[in-house]
Amino acid sequence: GAVVSQHPSRVICKSGTSVKIECRSLDFQATTMFWYRQFPKQSLMLMATSNEGSKATYEQGVEKDKFLINHASLTLSTLTVTSAHPEDSSFYICSAHEYRNTEAFFGQGTRLTVV
Amino acid sequence: QKEVEQNSGPLSVPEGAIASLNCTYSDRVSQSFFWYRQYSGKSPELIMSIYSNGDKEDGRFTAQLNKASQYVSLLIRDSQPSDSATYLCAVNSGGYQKVTFGTGTKLQVIP
Repeated sequence: GAVVSQHPSRVICKSGTSVKIECRSLDFQATTMFWYRQFPKQSLMLMATSNEGSKATYEQGVEKDKFLINHASLTLSTLTVTSAHPEDSSFYICSAHEYRNTEAFFGQGTRLTVV
Repeated sequence: QKEVEQNSGPLSVPEGAIASLNCTYSDRVSQSFFWYRQYSGKSPELIMSIYSNGDKEDGRFTAQLNKASQYVSLLIRDSQPSDSATYLCAVNSGGYQKVTFGTGTKLQVIP
Protein backbone atom coordinates (compact mmCIF):
# COMPACT_ATOMS: atom_id res chain seq x y z
CA GLY A 1 0.00 0.00 0.00
CA ALA A 2 0.86 3.64 -0.24
CA VAL A 3 3.12 5.15 2.41
CA VAL A 4 2.16 8.19 4.43
CA SER A 5 4.68 9.67 6.83
CA GLN A 6 3.68 11.87 9.73
CA HIS A 7 6.05 13.87 11.89
CA PRO A 8 6.62 14.28 14.78
CA SER A 9 5.31 11.12 16.37
CA ARG A 10 5.22 12.70 19.80
CA VAL A 11 5.40 16.27 21.02
CA ILE A 12 5.03 18.01 24.34
CA CYS A 13 4.45 21.74 24.37
CA LYS A 14 3.55 24.45 26.81
CA SER A 15 0.13 26.07 26.93
CA GLY A 16 -0.13 29.01 24.58
CA THR A 17 2.47 27.82 22.12
CA SER A 18 1.88 26.49 18.61
CA VAL A 19 2.73 23.09 17.24
CA LYS A 20 3.09 22.07 13.60
CA ILE A 21 2.46 18.53 12.42
CA GLU A 22 3.53 17.37 8.97
CA CYS A 23 1.93 14.73 6.80
CA ARG A 24 3.71 13.52 3.68
CA SER A 25 2.74 11.06 1.00
CA LEU A 26 6.03 9.37 0.14
CA ASP A 27 5.35 7.42 -3.01
CA PHE A 28 2.27 9.03 -4.50
CA GLN A 29 0.64 12.36 -5.01
CA ALA A 30 -2.28 13.23 -2.79
CA THR A 31 -4.57 16.01 -3.88
CA THR A 32 -6.62 15.44 -0.75
CA MET A 33 -5.51 14.63 2.77
CA PHE A 34 -7.60 14.29 5.89
CA TRP A 35 -6.85 15.21 9.47
CA TYR A 36 -8.35 13.28 12.36
CA ARG A 37 -8.25 13.56 16.11
CA GLN A 38 -8.68 10.64 18.44
CA PHE A 39 -9.21 10.80 22.18
CA PRO A 40 -8.46 7.75 24.32
CA LYS A 41 -10.80 4.84 23.71
CA GLN A 42 -12.78 6.81 21.16
CA SER A 43 -13.01 6.57 17.42
CA LEU A 44 -11.45 8.80 14.83
CA MET A 45 -13.04 12.19 14.50
CA LEU A 46 -12.58 13.91 11.18
CA MET A 47 -11.39 17.47 11.72
CA ALA A 48 -10.84 18.74 8.22
CA THR A 49 -10.20 17.92 4.61
CA SER A 50 -7.02 19.37 3.21
CA ASN A 51 -7.09 20.25 -0.46
CA GLU A 52 -3.92 20.99 -2.40
CA GLY A 53 -3.83 24.57 -3.55
CA SER A 54 -7.03 25.64 -1.85
CA LYS A 55 -8.53 26.22 1.55
CA ALA A 56 -9.22 23.33 3.84
CA THR A 57 -12.75 22.24 4.57
CA TYR A 58 -13.44 22.00 8.29
CA GLU A 59 -15.99 19.79 9.99
CA GLN A 60 -18.66 21.35 12.12
CA GLY A 61 -17.36 22.40 15.50
CA VAL A 62 -13.70 22.52 14.51
CA GLU A 63 -12.16 25.98 14.85
CA LYS A 64 -10.35 26.83 11.64
CA ASP A 65 -8.39 29.64 13.28
CA LYS A 66 -7.09 27.28 15.90
CA PHE A 67 -6.27 24.36 13.63
CA LEU A 68 -4.50 25.84 10.64
CA ILE A 69 -4.11 23.57 7.66
CA ASN A 70 -1.82 24.16 4.74
CA HIS A 71 -1.58 21.86 1.72
CA ALA A 72 1.07 23.59 -0.32
CA SER A 73 2.11 20.66 -2.48
CA LEU A 74 0.79 17.34 -3.72
CA THR A 75 2.83 15.48 -1.12
CA LEU A 76 2.66 17.64 1.99
CA SER A 77 -0.06 18.87 4.29
CA THR A 78 0.56 20.53 7.64
CA LEU A 79 -1.65 21.00 10.66
CA THR A 80 -0.73 23.76 13.10
CA VAL A 81 -2.37 23.78 16.49
CA THR A 82 -2.22 27.41 17.56
CA SER A 83 -2.29 28.67 21.12
CA ALA A 84 -2.48 25.12 22.38
CA HIS A 85 -4.33 24.29 25.58
CA PRO A 86 -4.33 21.10 27.66
CA GLU A 87 -7.70 20.12 26.18
CA ASP A 88 -6.01 19.97 22.76
CA SER A 89 -3.95 17.05 24.00
CA SER A 90 -4.88 14.17 21.75
CA PHE A 91 -3.71 11.78 19.07
CA TYR A 92 -3.71 13.49 15.67
CA ILE A 93 -3.66 11.36 12.55
CA CYS A 94 -3.55 12.24 8.89
CA SER A 95 -4.60 10.14 5.95
CA ALA A 96 -4.17 10.40 2.23
CA HIS A 97 -5.55 8.78 -0.88
CA GLU A 98 -3.98 8.09 -4.20
CA TYR A 99 -5.73 9.80 -7.09
CA ARG A 100 -9.22 8.34 -7.66
CA ASN A 101 -8.59 5.69 -5.00
CA THR A 102 -10.94 5.52 -2.04
CA GLU A 103 -8.56 3.53 0.18
CA ALA A 104 -7.19 5.73 2.94
CA PHE A 105 -3.64 5.26 4.16
CA PHE A 106 -2.71 6.70 7.49
CA GLY A 107 0.34 8.38 8.87
CA GLN A 108 1.82 7.08 12.09
CA GLY A 109 -0.02 9.65 14.17
CA THR A 110 1.19 12.40 16.48
CA ARG A 111 0.66 12.24 20.21
CA LEU A 112 0.30 15.85 21.38
CA THR A 113 0.53 16.67 25.06
CA VAL A 114 -0.01 20.25 26.15
CA VAL A 115 1.23 21.05 29.63
CA GLN B 1 -28.42 8.20 13.77
CA LYS B 2 -24.83 7.10 13.44
CA GLU B 3 -23.68 6.59 9.87
CA VAL B 4 -21.52 3.56 10.62
CA GLU B 5 -22.31 1.36 13.60
CA GLN B 6 -20.25 -1.29 15.30
CA ASN B 7 -20.53 -3.14 18.56
CA SER B 8 -17.80 -1.73 20.78
CA GLY B 9 -17.10 -5.09 22.39
CA PRO B 10 -14.84 -6.35 23.72
CA LEU B 11 -15.26 -9.48 21.67
CA SER B 12 -13.30 -12.31 23.24
CA VAL B 13 -12.42 -15.43 21.29
CA PRO B 14 -10.03 -18.27 22.08
CA GLU B 15 -6.88 -18.67 20.05
CA GLY B 16 -7.56 -20.62 16.87
CA ALA B 17 -11.24 -19.73 16.72
CA ILE B 18 -13.04 -17.61 14.16
CA ALA B 19 -13.66 -14.00 15.13
CA SER B 20 -16.66 -12.35 13.51
CA LEU B 21 -16.88 -8.57 13.43
CA ASN B 22 -19.98 -6.79 12.18
CA CYS B 23 -20.83 -3.36 10.88
CA THR B 24 -23.93 -1.63 9.55
CA TYR B 25 -24.14 1.62 7.65
CA SER B 26 -26.92 4.04 6.93
CA ASP B 27 -26.04 5.60 3.58
CA ARG B 28 -27.49 3.40 0.86
CA VAL B 29 -25.38 4.95 -1.88
CA SER B 30 -22.11 3.98 -0.20
CA GLN B 31 -19.83 2.19 -2.63
CA SER B 32 -16.58 1.44 -0.84
CA PHE B 33 -16.10 -0.41 2.43
CA PHE B 34 -13.00 -0.95 4.48
CA TRP B 35 -11.74 -2.70 7.55
CA TYR B 36 -8.87 -1.20 9.51
CA ARG B 37 -6.98 -2.63 12.44
CA GLN B 38 -5.74 -0.28 15.13
CA TYR B 39 -3.40 -1.32 17.90
CA SER B 40 -3.44 0.73 21.06
CA GLY B 41 -1.52 3.97 20.60
CA LYS B 42 -1.01 3.38 16.89
CA SER B 43 -2.72 4.66 13.76
CA PRO B 44 -5.13 2.49 11.73
CA GLU B 45 -3.81 -0.02 9.25
CA LEU B 46 -5.86 -1.07 6.22
CA ILE B 47 -6.69 -4.78 6.26
CA MET B 48 -9.38 -5.23 3.65
CA SER B 49 -11.38 -3.27 1.15
CA ILE B 50 -14.53 -4.53 -0.53
CA TYR B 51 -16.65 -2.92 -3.20
CA SER B 52 -19.18 -5.50 -4.40
CA ASN B 53 -21.62 -7.87 -2.76
CA GLY B 54 -20.30 -11.19 -1.60
CA ASP B 55 -17.12 -12.41 0.02
CA LYS B 56 -13.53 -11.31 -0.43
CA GLU B 57 -10.78 -13.42 1.06
CA ASP B 58 -7.20 -12.45 1.86
CA GLY B 59 -5.26 -14.95 3.91
CA ARG B 60 -6.99 -15.45 7.24
CA PHE B 61 -9.33 -12.52 6.62
CA THR B 62 -12.65 -12.59 4.80
CA ALA B 63 -14.77 -9.51 4.25
CA GLN B 64 -18.44 -9.93 3.49
CA LEU B 65 -20.70 -7.27 2.00
CA ASN B 66 -24.47 -7.20 1.67
CA LYS B 67 -25.58 -3.88 0.25
CA ALA B 68 -29.28 -4.77 0.41
CA SER B 69 -28.97 -5.21 4.17
CA GLN B 70 -26.38 -2.42 4.49
CA TYR B 71 -24.14 -4.80 6.31
CA VAL B 72 -20.45 -5.56 6.13
CA SER B 73 -18.51 -8.04 8.21
CA LEU B 74 -14.99 -9.26 8.79
CA LEU B 75 -14.12 -12.84 9.63
CA ILE B 76 -10.73 -13.71 11.07
CA ARG B 77 -9.92 -17.39 10.89
CA ASP B 78 -7.44 -19.11 13.19
CA SER B 79 -7.37 -16.06 15.46
CA GLN B 80 -4.02 -15.28 17.04
CA PRO B 81 -3.21 -13.22 20.14
CA SER B 82 -1.51 -10.75 17.79
CA ASP B 83 -4.92 -10.10 16.24
CA SER B 84 -6.01 -8.47 19.49
CA ALA B 85 -6.76 -4.88 18.50
CA THR B 86 -9.60 -2.54 17.70
CA TYR B 87 -11.14 -3.10 14.29
CA LEU B 88 -12.63 -0.10 12.54
CA CYS B 89 -15.24 -0.36 9.84
CA ALA B 90 -15.13 2.49 7.34
CA VAL B 91 -17.45 3.52 4.54
CA ASN B 92 -16.86 5.90 1.68
CA SER B 93 -19.76 8.31 1.70
CA GLY B 94 -20.56 11.99 1.75
CA GLY B 95 -18.20 13.09 -0.94
CA TYR B 96 -15.16 12.16 -2.97
CA GLN B 97 -12.76 10.08 -0.92
CA LYS B 98 -14.37 11.08 2.37
CA VAL B 99 -14.46 8.08 4.64
CA THR B 100 -16.67 7.68 7.70
CA PHE B 101 -15.46 5.42 10.49
CA GLY B 102 -17.38 3.38 12.98
CA THR B 103 -16.42 3.53 16.64
CA GLY B 104 -14.57 0.23 16.38
CA THR B 105 -14.85 -3.21 17.95
CA LYS B 106 -12.21 -4.31 20.39
CA LEU B 107 -11.12 -7.88 19.78
CA GLN B 108 -9.36 -9.94 22.42
CA VAL B 109 -7.87 -13.28 21.41
CA ILE B 110 -7.27 -15.39 24.48
CA PRO B 111 -4.24 -17.72 24.33
